[in-house]
Amino acid sequence: GDSVTQMEGPVTLSEEAFLTINCTYTATGYPSLFWYVQYPGEGLQLLLKATKADDKGSNKGFEATYRKETTSFHLEKGSVQVSDSAVYFCALSANTGANSKLTFGKGITLSVRP
Amino acid sequence: NAGVTQTPKFRVLKTGQSMTLLCAQDMNHEYMYWYRQDPGMGLRLIHYSVGEGTTAKGEVPDGYNVSRLKKQNFLLGLESAAPSQTSVYFCASRKDMTVGNTEAFFGQGTRLTVV
Repeated sequence: GDSVTQMEGPVTLSEEAFLTINCTYTATGYPSLFWYVQYPGEGLQLLLKATKADDKGSNKGFEATYRKETTSFHLEKGSVQVSDSAVYFCALSANTGANSKLTFGKGITLSVRP
Repeated sequence: NAGVTQTPKFRVLKTGQSMTLLCAQDMNHEYMYWYRQDPGMGLRLIHYSVGEGTTAKGEVPDGYNVSRLKKQNFLLGLESAAPSQTSVYFCASRKDMTVGNTEAFFGQGTRLTVV
């Protein structure tokens, strides 16, 4: 079945540091890929998405590129801020067939210190 | 813009009690989901629905039941609560399976403690 693997956490960075959070996936066909963010005490909200190979999703300074050859969707940000402290989830969704589920990685906690 | 609304937001139950969590969405979405979130486990799918009157089991369905009598509502029931069901529960919905519509919208969560 479909699966998403995220790098182990937590991650602690200083403000203005470069961020990379790795995400790889296993899926049949051509899934859509997502990054969701969860701020403390809140639900998940979509950060960015990509629906086909080589698409780059971007939002709030975060970027991720859909790499079909490496089945990856790594999240990057050039300069993190304290306000980026949150839990980040990589997810995929099959676009065809009977699989209507959303599959999430385990999530990784990012803490940014001033 | 209400989006996805979950009630209640917090609840404490005694072992063996029953309760129903309500999820309501006002976006006319076909698909709805219930997840639980536990430390170190990420989000695990409990049950889901692909349309009014339909339900299906997810990854961890035991001890839960669901109903989707109206398109906008998805109810999650615990018939006899157990401490292992202490968790944060999230409801999500999305429009359909077409490319571009697969983004999911989440509620704020329900924090349930079973003592």
